[in-house]
Amino acid sequence: GEDVEQSLFLSVREGDSSVINCTYTDSSSTYLYWYKQEPGAGLQLLTYIFSNMDMKQDQRLTVLLNKKDKHLSLRIADTQTGDSAIYFCAESHGSSNTGKLIFGQGTTLQVKP
Amino acid sequence: GAGVSQSPSNKVTEKGKDVELRCDPISGHTALYWYRQSLGQGLEFLIYFQGNSAPDKSGLPSDRFSAERTGGSVSTLTIQRTQQEDSAVYLCASSPGLGADTQYFGPGTRLTVL
Repeated sequence: GEDVEQSLFLSVREGDSSVINCTYTDSSSTYLYWYKQEPGAGLQLLTYIFSNMDMKQDQRLTVLLNKKDKHLSLRIADTQTGDSAIYFCAESHGSSNTGKLIFGQGTTLQVKP
Repeated sequence: GAGVSQSPSNKVTEKGKDVELRCDPISGHTALYWYRQSLGQGLEFLIYFQGNSAPDKSGLPSDRFSAERTGGSVSTLTIQRTQQEDSAVYLCASSPGLGADTQYFGPGTRLTVL
């Protein structure tokens, strides 16, 4: 079945780069997503990447996809205290294309001033 | 509306009671999804709707859980005879269509079963 795994916690200093990693098992995934959840708030889509791409950059965010290893990463440049949140990696259920998302456990990013 | 809304934002109930959770999707979005976020299980898919029909109910944990959607808009998730393990945040999302369309999430309903 599908499975998505992430490390649970990352701590960085303000101004440093953060790299959050994710691995997945479903080779038929078509899209991979990064969501951000701030305390008491819903999930906010940060970015997504199509499975035939290797990299996507959007301002401070860079997504790298290694399809062979089923590894996805999110790099946040110049991390700010406002970036402190839980980050979820998710894959779409590619084989059925229903849009059903399978989420990782979430990585808590702590940014120290 | 401007975004996905859910009500109530918080619900405390006693074990054995029934609860109804409501989701108002973004106007015009045909696809609607329910997820559950709990400490032990993370974020789990429950059910999705395309229009008023629910082709995939595979994530519903038991037959105590049911959901409906009327008029292609509002959806209600009902949990009968609630148990303590049902305590979680229930999230609703909508998207313009199926597949890769971006899902927009509501703020969730925090359910606590005493």
